[in-house]
Amino acid sequence: EAQVTQNPRYLITVTGKKLTVTCSQNMNHEYMSWYRQDPGLGLRQIYYSMNVEVTDKGDVPEGYKVSRKEKRNFPLILESPSPNQTSLYFCASSLSQGREQYFGPGTRLTVT
Amino acid sequence: SQQGEEDPQALSIQEGENATMNCSYKTSINNLQWYRQNSGRGLVHLILIRSNEREKHSGRLRVTLDTSKKSSSLLITASRAADTASYFCATDNSGYSTLTFGKGTMLLVSP
Repeated sequence: EAQVTQNPRYLITVTGKKLTVTCSQNMNHEYMSWYRQDPGLGLRQIYYSMNVEVTDKGDVPEGYKVSRKEKRNFPLILESPSPNQTSLYFCASSLSQGREQYFGPGTRLTVT
Repeated sequence: SQQGEEDPQALSIQEGENATMNCSYKTSINNLQWYRQNSGRGLVHLILIRSNEREKHSGRLRVTLDTSKKSSSLLITASRAADTASYFCATDNSGYSTLTFGKGTMLLVSP
């Protein structure tokens, strides 16, 4: 089944404790992206990747890192999480930039 | 930000009625897409309309695009309770490598 998976689905952590949210797709998509969704602010892009080893900042990259060492994986790293990073996070992939995106189920992160 | 804007923010209708949502954007686009999100879940792609297209259909969905007015509309005909969700437009903007999402329209369809 074609899908985008994210782990963990729910995470409660404390300020400053490094964490990684994994994202994997099995569709051989070139383009992958991370978004955060907050009430009243809609969906905002954090980082995106056009292909392996090619990543770039989205609208709200501060406090986040990503890597794209393999085509299928695009982890999101929070080196020192802060409470303002409490949010619902989505990973998405598409065949190429501008095409329809397939979304993961989301990761609800709470930073206390 | 090149963010599109949906209108209305919320819409409440009865089953069987039609629902119309609008999206306005600011810059030239390559295409415009509509997505649906059930509460707290991942977005699901509904339909993509290219900048040189004016109308597109998919089942009970009809999308129009007016590039001169920089606007699009999504019509859901004969709505069902299962159509209750948030609907987002997203634009693939010329010269940008990202898809830009609006804040969404919350649709409630009552039985």
